[in-house]
Amino acid sequence: EPEVTQTPSHQVTQMGQEVILRCVPISNHLYFYWYRQILGQKVEFLVSFYNNEISEKSEIFDDQFSVERPDGSNFTLKIRSTKLEDSAMYFCASSEMEGRNSPLHFGNGTRLTVT
Amino acid sequence: GDSVTQMEGPVTLSEEAFLTINCTYTATGYPSLFWYVQYPGEGLQLLLKATKADDKGSNKGFEATYRKETTSFHLEKGSVQVSDSAVYFCALLNYGQNFVFGPGTRLSVLP
Repeated sequence: EPEVTQTPSHQVTQMGQEVILRCVPISNHLYFYWYRQILGQKVEFLVSFYNNEISEKSEIFDDQFSVERPDGSNFTLKIRSTKLEDSAMYFCASSEMEGRNSPLHFGNGTRLTVT
Repeated sequence: GDSVTQMEGPVTLSEEAFLTINCTYTATGYPSLFWYVQYPGEGLQLLLKATKADDKGSNKGFEATYRKETTSFHLEKGSVQVSDSAVYFCALLNYGQNFVFGPGTRLSVLP
């Protein structure tokens, strides 16, 4: 079964540094998402992406965050200047279509630790 | 806005016990409802879903029925195994919106 893959599985960075989290969505999916989960807390929506542009973003997704689909397969999340509170699991997800009947398929996540 | 509430964990059961994890939601219209499971060190996996009232989603012995009258989607399993130990997330997806997840319920099954 096709799956969403994320790299790296764990990233440690110093406060103020830039990080790029990478994702390869399922190949025939058209909608892409980033979610994050701070340790022990709920899964929070960050951003959705369709047709090479952001379709929706949450309050968390401020100017420090950006997403890109640099080629036909990768989908990246960049944090320009990391803060301690950015430490979390970041999950990439994709779906075949938009709508109530199209569940999200998640990757295994990247654990980001900001020191 | 839309929201999902789950029973607080952790839930600790013995193997072969009956499991219920309560989930209720607040939403306009007719959302689809989902249960996702997160095993230790892994991502979120879709467990089951239901897209309309009275639908029953089922997978791997787990079941949940979409109850519009009580706005609930409780997860049940008749006989849990140690391998079911994980965090379970109830979620909804409304038309034109993004997934809304509940806070998750950690289940520990003891041998």
